[in-house]
Amino acid sequence: DAGVIQSPRHEVTEMGQEVTLRCKPISGHDYLFWYRQTMMRGLELLIYFNNNVPIDDSGMPEDRFSAKMPNASFSTLKIQPSEPRDSAVYFCASSRDSLKVTEAFFGQGTRLTVV
Amino acid sequence: AQTVTQSQPEMSVQEAETVTLSCTYDTSENNYYLFWYKQPPSRQMILVIRQEAYKQQNATENRFSVNFQKAAKSFSLKISDSQLGDTAMYFCAFMTLNDMRFGAGTRLTVKP
Repeated sequence: DAGVIQSPRHEVTEMGQEVTLRCKPISGHDYLFWYRQTMMRGLELLIYFNNNVPIDDSGMPEDRFSAKMPNASFSTLKIQPSEPRDSAVYFCASSRDSLKVTEAFFGQGTRLTVV
Repeated sequence: AQTVTQSQPEMSVQEAETVTLSCTYDTSENNYYLFWYKQPPSRQMILVIRQEAYKQQNATENRFSVNFQKAAKSFSLKISDSQLGDTAMYFCAFMTLNDMRFGAGTRLTVKP
């Protein structure tokens, strides 16, 4: 398995534009997580899915953020409209049957820069 | 490859006493950040304390402080005046701009 695949690796966009981040989890994993990483706040859980169903989205910062998982092999995180303070690295992770962060497999992240 | 090691799978401490959780890491990077996270059963990662590698002064946050030894690549967490609410899993994490690693975690139990 190629692991968790995220795209794009880097995204630079202008303030106000819509940004869509994509994630392909490891096949067979039941849980999918979206995290945001900044050096000031560290790692923040935004939302997670279990069997394609959103379970906890309390970490989503604002209504500008939305996430979907239309099937077991694909998820998106959308920011509309984007703002400079959204600049961060966004990680997608998946795990088979655990909520422990250390048992999740992380993608390589998408570095988002909003100018 | 960058690695993070927490050698204490479980620890316990009496309420009001002090406990130290250990963490070592291995990296060839010079600029990085270190974090301690608390993870209660709810799974949310709660940031306890952070340390920039370029800062020599140890970070402190109320009852939490770190002993950062850059040359030894050591980053221990000291919890003073332990409280029952401190019972949780604690993860040490190492981060650069493009990479993130976690230790295996230490389960801390504070006993009344």
